[in-house]
Amino acid sequence: AQSVTQLGSHVSVSEGALVLLRCNYSSSVPPYLFWYVQYPNQGLQLLLKYTSAATLVKGINGFEAEFKKSETSFHLTKPSAHMSDAAEYFCAVSVLPFSGGYNKLIFGAGTRLAVHP
Amino acid sequence: GAGVSQSPSNKVTEKGKDVELRCDPISGHTALYWYRQSLGQGLEFLIYFQGNSAPDKSGLPSDRFSAERTGGSVSTLTIQRTQQEDSAVYLCASSLTGTGATETQYFGPGTRLLVL
Repeated sequence: AQSVTQLGSHVSVSEGALVLLRCNYSSSVPPYLFWYVQYPNQGLQLLLKYTSAATLVKGINGFEAEFKKSETSFHLTKPSAHMSDAAEYFCAVSVLPFSGGYNKLIFGAGTRLAVHP
Repeated sequence: GAGVSQSPSNKVTEKGKDVELRCDPISGHTALYWYRQSLGQGLEFLIYFQGNSAPDKSGLPSDRFSAERTGGSVSTLTIQRTQQEDSAVYLCASSLTGTGATETQYFGPGTRLLVL
C-alpha cells in the first residue's frame, strides 16, 4: 500500500534560515507525490508535484523538492524562510493504480512550520 | 466562481442534531472529493464523486454520514445525529477529471464543525 510519513509535526526556524520539511513515501509502483500548504483558516494550496519528468521540482513561493528514489524521500526545502511561510505543510501520494481508476491522494499528518524573527 | 467554495464556514450544533455542509466546485470539474481534518490529524478521505455518482464511499466513517451531488456540480455532505467526535474541519476539493495521477486537486476553505 502507498503511504507517506512526515517526520516532525512541528518545525521552527528563524527568518532567513533554511527550511527543510521531511517526507518519506512507501510505494510499490513509481509514485506521484505532492506538497500542499495550508495557511490558517484556509484550504490547501498546491505548492508543487512530482510527475517523474524531473527529480528536482520547483514550486511556488521559492519552494522546491527533490525526489530521491534510493532514499524514498521527497523533502521540501526553501533556502531562506520568510515570516509569511508560517503554515501547515502536507505531503501526499497518489494511489491511482489501486483506487479503481481515480486520483485518490493519501496525505501525511502534516508539519506545522513556525518562523520567528 | 474562481475557486471551490464551501458553506457555512463555521457551524456549531448540538449533539444529536443533523447538519448539512455544502460544496461548490470549480465550474467544469467533474471530480469532487470530501475530506475530514480533525484537530492535530492529517486529512482523512471521506468520499469521491465522478459526476453525480460516488464510486468510492469507503472513507465515510459511519452510516450517519452521507453525501450527494446534483447536476454534476454542488455537493452536500450530511451528518445525522451528530456526535462530539464529528467535530472537525470538513474540506471539499475538485479536479478536472479525477483520472490523472498528477492532476491537481483544488481545495475549498473548509467548514469548521463544532458539536457541543
